[in-house]
Amino acid sequence: QKEVEQNSGPLSVPEGAIASLNCTYSDRGSQSFFWYRQYSGKSPELIMSIYSNGDKEDGRFTAQLNKASQYVSLLIRDSQPSDSATYLCAVNKGGSSNTGKLIFGQGTTLQVKP
Amino acid sequence: KAGVTQTPRYLIKTRGQQVTLSCSPISGHRSVSWYQQTPGQGLQFLFEYFSETQRNKGNFPGRFSGRQFSNSRSEMNVSTLELGDSALYLCASSLERGGPDTQYFGPGTRLTVL
Repeated sequence: QKEVEQNSGPLSVPEGAIASLNCTYSDRGSQSFFWYRQYSGKSPELIMSIYSNGDKEDGRFTAQLNKASQYVSLLIRDSQPSDSATYLCAVNKGGSSNTGKLIFGQGTTLQVKP
Repeated sequence: KAGVTQTPRYLIKTRGQQVTLSCSPISGHRSVSWYQQTPGQGLQFLFEYFSETQRNKGNFPGRFSGRQFSNSRSEMNVSTLELGDSALYLCASSLERGGPDTQYFGPGTRLTVL
């Protein structure tokens, strides 16, 4: 079992729709969670961080965390063609032995069709 | 504020050679983490440096090493290059405030081993 799992996709949504990206993690003690966006040939760009159960909204993006279910998701409202990219879920397990160490899922490719 | 910078952006080496990659973190950031990204394995943690000390290391052979200087700039070195070392090498910096810290990625160095 991988430590962080994502559906590789591609996830295809029409322009203006809501895109829902999901991620599960195996270590129940994980403490911090991040979503990065990566365009082809570019480096990962931070979208959201979330540390507590519940929802966190930033513009068109909402991150949701459920530690009991070991599940984190990213919702993109009013999806635009420019949102087409690979979305990476990253987890830090916390503690001194994991400082600076993010564990990434394989990423979900999102395609937003005009 | 300038972002994370990495040099060089592209490198071509042959098997058996060694290579040094450089990373300058965001001003004021004290922690630097290095990652390897390949199509097959995704993003994998190499090591993390803080205050010129390696705090954490991923599951990579000893051919991969790094260091950090007093100005927080970091270098990583790969000796005796193998074909499988061809990858995008990313560094990320964070503030290191004692809690969960967001990592910001540089543009990466694309290494091709022939």
